[in-house]
Amino acid sequence: EAGVVQSPRYKIIEKKQPVAFWCNPISGHNTLYWYLQNLGQGPELLIRYENEEAVDDSQLPKDRFSAERLKGVDSTLKIQPAELGDSAVYLCASSPGQGRTDTQYFGPGTRLTVL
Amino acid sequence: AQSVAQPEDQVNVAEGNPLTVKCTYSVSGNPYLFWYVQYPNRGLQFLLKYITGDNLVKGSYGFEAEFNKSQTSVHLIKPSALVSDSALYFCAVRVPASGGSYIPTFGRGTSLIVHP
Repeated sequence: EAGVVQSPRYKIIEKKQPVAFWCNPISGHNTLYWYLQNLGQGPELLIRYENEEAVDDSQLPKDRFSAERLKGVDSTLKIQPAELGDSAVYLCASSPGQGRTDTQYFGPGTRLTVL
Repeated sequence: AQSVAQPEDQVNVAEGNPLTVKCTYSVSGNPYLFWYVQYPNRGLQFLLKYITGDNLVKGSYGFEAEFNKSQTSVHLIKPSALVSDSALYFCAVRVPASGGSYIPTFGRGTSLIVHP
């Protein structure tokens, strides 16, 4: 069974440029998460989807970040325009549901460097 | 606020010695606790979860978790460390969110370094 797929793995852009990350969750997983991970820190939730509905996006900086999960399968996270402080690893994860005991499965992440 | 805490930024241990990576929690109701490992340039990998029952939970790669309700802790342990265990370890708990769902919340991580 394929795991969570993310692309690209690495991205280097100049500030003020747009950037997009793509995630394909494990087949059959209804819940999809986007996390931000700064160096030496734990993942911080940006947005959570239940099927195609964003059920928690309170931590997403909506002035520059946007996300979508059309058809409730794969998802795209976009930053426009990027700032220097956006340099981090962006992790995607999926789980069968959003219950208290559901295990999350993570993709390898996209490392973003903003110059 | 419901959360987990990892009090040690780094743990150093010699290969072959037992290791412990600490995690304490603050949750209401029954705690459901997870451990993940992250190798360099990789995503997080699930190790184990404590739901209920035995206070010792077995996980992947020879790791176990020791749950202690009175101390509100769920420490990750392994009887004999390997150099290949060197990685970043995260404790996590799901906290209640709107609509009856639960949001995963992670500790800041502990870097485990196993010396040959």
